[in-house]
Amino acid sequence: AQKITQTQPGMFVQEKEAVTLDCTYDTSDPSYGLFWYKQPSSGEMIFLIYQGSYDQQNATEGRYSLNFQKARKSANLVISASQLGDSAMYFCAMQSNFGNEKLTFGTGTRLTIIP
Amino acid sequence: KAGVTQTPRYLIKTRGQQVTLSCSPISGHRSVSWYQQTPGQGLQFLFEYFSETQRNKGNFPGRFSGRQFSNSRSEMNVSTLELGDSALYLCASSLQTSGSDTQYFGPGTRLTVL
Repeated sequence: AQKITQTQPGMFVQEKEAVTLDCTYDTSDPSYGLFWYKQPSSGEMIFLIYQGSYDQQNATEGRYSLNFQKARKSANLVISASQLGDSAMYFCAMQSNFGNEKLTFGTGTRLTIIP
Repeated sequence: KAGVTQTPRYLIKTRGQQVTLSCSPISGHRSVSWYQQTPGQGLQFLFEYFSETQRNKGNFPGRFSGRQFSNSRSEMNVSTLELGDSALYLCASSLQTSGSDTQYFGPGTRLTVL
């Protein structure tokens, strides 16, 4: 069974500062993928970034980077230079690489950017 | 390329009724997954379809069912609605080429059961 843990229910960050959202995971699968999604108040889940379990380098997508520490089973999302539009719920998720399309989600972190 | 679309966006039903939700995946995507999101249970996997076949199913009662058509469009049906079925239902599509495929979500259907 897979499990995702997000220990920060809510965070307040000053605009333009960097923010780190924590995510730890547990799985017995040797190969898997880790994802971060953003969910604004409108409800749509927006894909942000992906990290494969065998990727040697941390993934980056614009202002988003994923701090992947496989031995510690953590996959923290780092948002640089936060903007007001970054205020939303953020979900960490994982998926086995063995053909199972099911995404297992964490409970999410509500990020609020303060002007 | 158009994203995942879901219809309707909002729905109000009463207990005991049934409901059908529709999802059109991104063009070329053959896998469609459905998720239920509630404040209490969070995001939970319902089922996944690929080439008109259900490949995976979450832990939901038989009142929840789905299907996929030859054009990859999918529908999910909930029969005998209960108050607890009030939720945001999210559909996601992916290419399903190999390994982890990024799932792209639609805007969701917000179902309210009175």
